[in-house]
Amino acid sequence: DVKVTQSSRYLVKRTGEKVFLECVQDMDHENMFWYRQDPGLGLRLIYFSYDVKMKEKGDIPEGYSVSREKKERFSLILESASTNQTSMYLCASSRQGARSNQPQHFGDGTRLSIL
Amino acid sequence: QKEVEQDPGPLSVPEGAIVSLNCTYSNSAFQYFMWYRQYSRKGPELLMYTYSSGNKEDGRFTAQVDKSSKYISLFIRDSQPSDSATYLCAMNTGNQFYFGTGTSLTVIP
Repeated sequence: DVKVTQSSRYLVKRTGEKVFLECVQDMDHENMFWYRQDPGLGLRLIYFSYDVKMKEKGDIPEGYSVSREKKERFSLILESASTNQTSMYLCASSRQGARSNQPQHFGDGTRLSIL
Repeated sequence: QKEVEQDPGPLSVPEGAIVSLNCTYSNSAFQYFMWYRQYSRKGPELLMYTYSSGNKEDGRFTAQVDKSSKYISLFIRDSQPSDSATYLCAMNTGNQFYFGTGTSLTVIP
């Protein structure tokens, strides 16, 4: 079974702090993704990466950055946390297909609260 | 217009009922079609995926894709209280994935 592990299930941080969310996958997937999920808004893509050291902006990258130094690990960084970044953060990974990426597999999420 | 439209519900059914969950989409280039189940305070779990039009069955679950109508469905037979969750449809073309906002389902014992 594919396993995507997010380092924290719940996290509470203060406004202005630099926050690191870590994600590790064990299936040698090329692609990794960070989403945030908010009620009524669904999943919104923040960043994705299709290879080590490669990254692409998603729909809502402002206030976030990412790092992918190893294939299995993808980190999301909140440069200066703000209260509007309180959300559920989901990491996902998928295999690169010949014409299209194969379905994504998700971790259990990090529920982040910024006070 | 959103790429993927999904009725948020909530949907409430008695145990044993047949459940039908649906999504419509606008982009004819979509290739993979997926259904995810998400329990409260957990991440989405891949339930079904299909690459083509037609039906795909897995136990009590059947995924149906109608590319001509740009419509996908998930049927749950003999629904159980453990099926109570939010169901998200998803589809992709190339590197882009698009998700519905999810339908909340409650199966009442």
